[in-house]
Amino acid sequence: QPVLTQPPSSSASPGESARLTCTLPSDINVTTFNIYWYQQRPGSPPRYLLYYYSDSNKGQGSGVPSRFSGSKDASANTGILLISGLQSEDEADYYCMIWPRSASKMFGGGTKLTVL
Amino acid sequence: QVQLVQSGAEVKKPGSSVKVSCKASGGTFSNYAINWVRQAPGQGLEWMGGFMSIFDTGIYAQKFQGRVTMTADKSTSTAYMELRSLRFEDTAVYYCARDRGDGTSYDSSGYYYYYNYYGMDVWGQGTTVTVSS
Repeated sequence: QPVLTQPPSSSASPGESARLTCTLPSDINVTTFNIYWYQQRPGSPPRYLLYYYSDSNKGQGSGVPSRFSGSKDASANTGILLISGLQSEDEADYYCMIWPRSASKMFGGGTKLTVL
Repeated sequence: QVQLVQSGAEVKKPGSSVKVSCKASGGTFSNYAINWVRQAPGQGLEWMGGFMSIFDTGIYAQKFQGRVTMTADKSTSTAYMELRSLRFEDTAVYYCARDRGDGTSYDSSGYYYYYNYYGMDVWGQGTTVTVSS
């Protein structure tokens, strides 16, 4: 079972925004970690989207549109991927990841985003 | 721009071994680790481990320790992942992926790390490994 919890599915209409969450276990404080996000379209390898630590420490993957952005909700110990202006091509699986020092990289179980 | 090109699909019997290659074209990966991530049919991503050429050091997920070996040939910019004692549940697509980060080092427990780590930014196309009797 993945350590990071992601809802199995989410949906939104074209032009709307989608907010995908990644909840860390209570013994891992989201405020102390970079959260990495990947997109995987059917039949394709994963694609790196971005990382988010804070508003002053974040980065976008090469060629990734600015409508993909990251944030955190410290009160919920959750990392967030926000996709604004949804397009049909955004329909994909989305995975979050963390990498604790001297430990394994950990993925969430993934969220399947449907663009209605 | 670096591209990672993986070897072709494999069909193996239970108990045997498989070795998958990942060649960097258009550049090298000597300053970055190559990770191996697998995805069983209909399942999510699972990190298996990574290999940092400049330290000649591999780190492995506990689940695979003792059964996996990751290496790299710097002269050909090719990384390898060998998985032994194959089981039916090892049937999956295996991806290599390059780390992106600044300033590499390693700690006393043998883990490499980056002072600034940005994620796995380049992925191979995937290699399907089927374990079947």
